[in-house]
Amino acid sequence: GQNIDQPTEMTATEGAIVQINCTYQTSGFNGLFWYQQHAGEAPTFLSYNVLDGLEEKGRFSSFLSRSKGYSYLLLKELQMKDSASYLCAVREGDYKLSFGAGTTVTVRA
Amino acid sequence: IAGITQAPTSQILAAGRRMTLRCTQDMRHNAMYWYRQDLGLGLRLIHYSNTAGTTGKGEVPDGYSVSRANTDDFPLTLASAVPSQTSVYFCASSDLAGSGANVLTFGAGSRLTVL
Repeated sequence: GQNIDQPTEMTATEGAIVQINCTYQTSGFNGLFWYQQHAGEAPTFLSYNVLDGLEEKGRFSSFLSRSKGYSYLLLKELQMKDSASYLCAVREGDYKLSFGAGTTVTVRA
Repeated sequence: IAGITQAPTSQILAAGRRMTLRCTQDMRHNAMYWYRQDLGLGLRLIHYSNTAGTTGKGEVPDGYSVSRANTDDFPLTLASAVPSQTSVYFCASSDLAGSGANVLTFGAGSRLTVL
């Protein structure tokens, strides 16, 4: 089994930066994912880390430290459309993906 | 447009009734999954299938059954619905044969209310 912890809510101003932390405990780590989910919609893939370090993709970056069981998702130059839930998910083995409860980010003008 | 189709979108069901949520994908992905999403609990895996003809139990399988007769379809059945099964159900698929991330693609969800 896995424990995946992330903050419940975060609020930030348009144009700012927000960092969403995720900590996990797993016996067979095989990758960490971040998904974005707008209210009433399906989750969509944002990023994937399997090795330590930073992965950058436009305004979004994701970091992983396997030894610390820690990841963060960094959202830069926040826009109103970034208001959503961000889900941290850990893969154990080849296919099983377990999700955290999600962090709801509210972007204010 | 390639993707996953779930039906129904929304359903209100009396307790004790049988219900099947349908899921079809046209991406030829070999793996399929059913998750339920509840407020404060996030997405929890109910059942999965790595390939046609095989299925496995996830984190919360009790009260649910699945079948995988072919690559494209992965129905989820509630044999006798109970109010605690009120939730939003997401079907997902992934291509296990590909290397790398094995990213999940989700359907739009089915909102089920059991009274």
